[in-house]
Amino acid sequence: GENVEQHPSTLSVQEGDSAVIKCTYSDSASNYFPWYKQELGKGPQLIIDIRSNVGEKKDQRIAVTLNKTAKHFSLHITETQPEDSAVYFCAAVIGGGADGLTFGKGTHLIIQP
Amino acid sequence: DGGITQSPKYLFRKEGQNVTLSCEQNLNHDAMYWYRQDPGQGLRLIYYSQIVNDFQKGDIAEGYSVSREKKESFPLTVTSAQKNPTAFYLCASSISGTPYNEQFFGPGTRLTVL
Repeated sequence: GENVEQHPSTLSVQEGDSAVIKCTYSDSASNYFPWYKQELGKGPQLIIDIRSNVGEKKDQRIAVTLNKTAKHFSLHITETQPEDSAVYFCAAVIGGGADGLTFGKGTHLIIQP
Repeated sequence: DGGITQSPKYLFRKEGQNVTLSCEQNLNHDAMYWYRQDPGQGLRLIYYSQIVNDFQKGDIAEGYSVSREKKESFPLTVTSAQKNPTAFYLCASSISGTPYNEQFFGPGTRLTVL
């Protein structure tokens, strides 16, 4: 079936460095790609999203890029800080959205001091 | 404060017992969702409801049941038919049922079946 693949499952970076998380999707008709951040003991929270009519979107230290031809999108976090440590989920609207969002399996981002 | 609440935070049950997880929202959202989260598995949709008195099965509905009698409440029952019920359960809501709206998640309930 249609799905969303997310890599890596764990990412460790030094504080101040950049982090990149990548996702691929299979449905060429997908047109909406949100990213959620889940801190320890909490529910996920939307941090940024992108629609298929743009290639990049930025919000302070985070950005998302979309390559529709290759069917992949990425989350970029610059100047990482300890509070960026969390699990990040990508998602996509698959199959016209009748069943809502399809989530990737998550990336555990660890910021090393 | 507007938000979505789940109770309890931790729940223990004996094998073979049904258990109901609570989810309440005061955001006046039409749509509500239940997800199951297992290590390394991401979020998998159990059931969702786009409007009061209506709900649909998600990807892993077997062994679960829901009701949506009130707009603000969407309880999930984990029945004895669910073969592996131990997991972290997340409830979410959005202003409407379109997947293009932000979903607001509760803090989750960790269910352990002994």
